[in-house]
Amino acid sequence: SQTIHQWPATLVQPVGSPLSLECTVEGTSNPNLYWYRQAAGRGLQLLFYSVGIGQISSEVPQNLSASRPQDRQFILSSKKLLLSDSGFYLCAWRIRGGSGNTIYFGEGSWLTVV
Amino acid sequence: GQQLNQSPQSMFIQEGEDVSMNCTSSSIFNTWLWYKQDPGEGPVLLIALYKAGELTSNGRLTAQFGITRKDSFLNISASIPSDVGIYFCAGPVNDYKLSFGAGTTVTVRA
Repeated sequence: SQTIHQWPATLVQPVGSPLSLECTVEGTSNPNLYWYRQAAGRGLQLLFYSVGIGQISSEVPQNLSASRPQDRQFILSSKKLLLSDSGFYLCAWRIRGGSGNTIYFGEGSWLTVV
Repeated sequence: GQQLNQSPQSMFIQEGEDVSMNCTSSSIFNTWLWYKQDPGEGPVLLIALYKAGELTSNGRLTAQFGITRKDSFLNISASIPSDVGIYFCAGPVNDYKLSFGAGTTVTVRA
């Protein structure tokens, strides 16, 4: 069966510091990969998605970037964090080319920028 | 782009009650998905609907794919405390992306 893991689960970072959140998927090949952000008590905002290694689509221009160095690895980064980057970050995956459209989410990473 | 309107935004429900929430779209969807997010965790898929008029159950949850293909409903029967959370509807924008509703926050009064 497929599993998705992201880490770290929680982090507190000072303003101006770098960020790296990592996500890996197991049990599938060539997945579509996603990064979402959720502000406290709010909806899901798609940040980036990827349909293959090195292929990144950005949905919202901002202080973050994403990379996909391997088929099942997706990384969310920032060179200098802003206070507004605080939130709950969710990695997700989907079977590429499948008949269904279901996206499966990871456990989430809480980021607090102080 | 496709917009999903989910209502109500929040609800307080009495344990044992049956409740309902819905989602409407400005465009036709060929799939409707319902997710639940427990506090501090990622959303988990509850029910997937693939056919107009389809009615699907998962335990005490029942969801329906509207005949017009522009709406969907989720019902929870006999609410219990663990039903607390945020419920999201979603539908495919294209082959790569889903559009999500803003969520319905459910709080249960014991």
